[in-house]
This record gives sequence, structure tokens and C-alpha cells, in this order.
Amino acid sequence: SYELTQPPSVSVSPGQTARITCSGDAWPKKYAYWYQQKSGQAPVLVIYEDTKRPSGIPERFSGSSSGTMATLTISGAQVEDEADYYCYSTDTSGNQGGVFGTGTKVTVL
Amino acid sequence: QVQLVQSGAEVKKPGASMKVSCKASEYNLIDYYIHWVRQAPGQGLEWMGWINPKSGDTNYAQRFQGRITMTRDTSLNTAYMELTRLTFDDTAMYYCSRGAHYWGQGTLVTVSS
Repeated sequence: SYELTQPPSVSVSPGQTARITCSGDAWPKKYAYWYQQKSGQAPVLVIYEDTKRPSGIPERFSGSSSGTMATLTISGAQVEDEADYYCYSTDTSGNQGGVFGTGTKVTVL
Repeated sequence: QVQLVQSGAEVKKPGASMKVSCKASEYNLIDYYIHWVRQAPGQGLEWMGWINPKSGDTNYAQRFQGRITMTRDTSLNTAYMELTRLTFDDTAMYYCSRGAHYWGQGTLVTVSS
């Protein structure tokens, strides 16, 4: 089955840049989406269609895609950015359904 | 304000079925696909499938084939996800979403004997 691989954890100090990668074979053919999930809460979309930011999401969140990897960048990470992050895309090898990445725990301290 | 409001928490016995509802407000259900996603305790997000509320077409993740059914009632502006033959591993928070942007609050389903 199709898989999207993320690093299990990323740690940064406040104000530094955090980069979360998501590896899969779908890019650049399929878009990447990124979700932030804080403990006990529903996921929140922070990036869609590789690079677009929904209204209300801080500018420090940005996305990119190159080759077989998509990247979420948090420039100047804040303590409130500490959360789990998941990438999402479409399974191009199977029934064209969705697939989530393995998830990355971002720690800001 | 677009909202997806899901039904309340459930406790089910192994072998039973569950059916979660997802009521859309402030938009017409038939205008956007509804996806269902689940998250077991301490685990990641898992895509389960989608339904096109306009046509009723569905696309299920292979691992749920044969025991999942997604339906909708356009008169109630509500989508449903039914999962049968439950096991302990189906204990999870179940979410509906409208595309990528809007998510329901989640429905906790606990499978316990």
C-alpha cells in the first residue's frame, strides 16, 4: 500500500525554523496537505495544495514540494506551534484514495 | 460559518456495528465530498474513505472494504458512516471532513466487552 513517511519528531528552540518532511512517490503529481493537531483536538489544516495557506493561519507556516518530498516549514516557531503534524495526499498507486503521513511531533522548547 | 456536527460517543461490543452521523450546516451537503478519518488512541490519522453526496459514489480504503458503508440523506443535509463487525482495534475517534478545510468535532467509539 502507498505510504507517506515523516520523521517521528522534530525539536526546535523558540524563534528557530522547523522543517518537517514527507516522502512519497506521488509528488509532484499530487498535491500535499498539512495538518496540525494539538492534544485532544481535531486536526487543523495549515497548508493545502502544496503551498497555500488557509485564512487565519500565521505566515510563519509555509509549504513546498520538490521531487518526491513535500516540506512544511515553520519559520520562527512559537511555543504554541508545539503539536503533531501530518501530511496528506492521494494514493496514486491504488484506488486514488487518501493517505496520511506517519506524523511528526514538533517540540518547541 | 460552515460546520460539521457529529453524533455523540458510543460504546459497542465486539461484533456489533456502529453508525456515525455528520450533519452539515451553512452549506449544501451535495456541493462537496465528505471524507471519513479515524484516529486510534495515541496513533496517527487514518483515511477511511469518501462519499460524493451528490451522486452517492463512494471510495473506501482497501482495509475497510466489505465492512464499511458511507451514505447520505440530502433531505437532512447529513452524511453517515457505518462500520460493521467491530473489533477492539476499531476503538478510535472518528472524524468527518468537508474536503481538507472543515472537520467535525469527532465521535469517540469505544469497543469493549
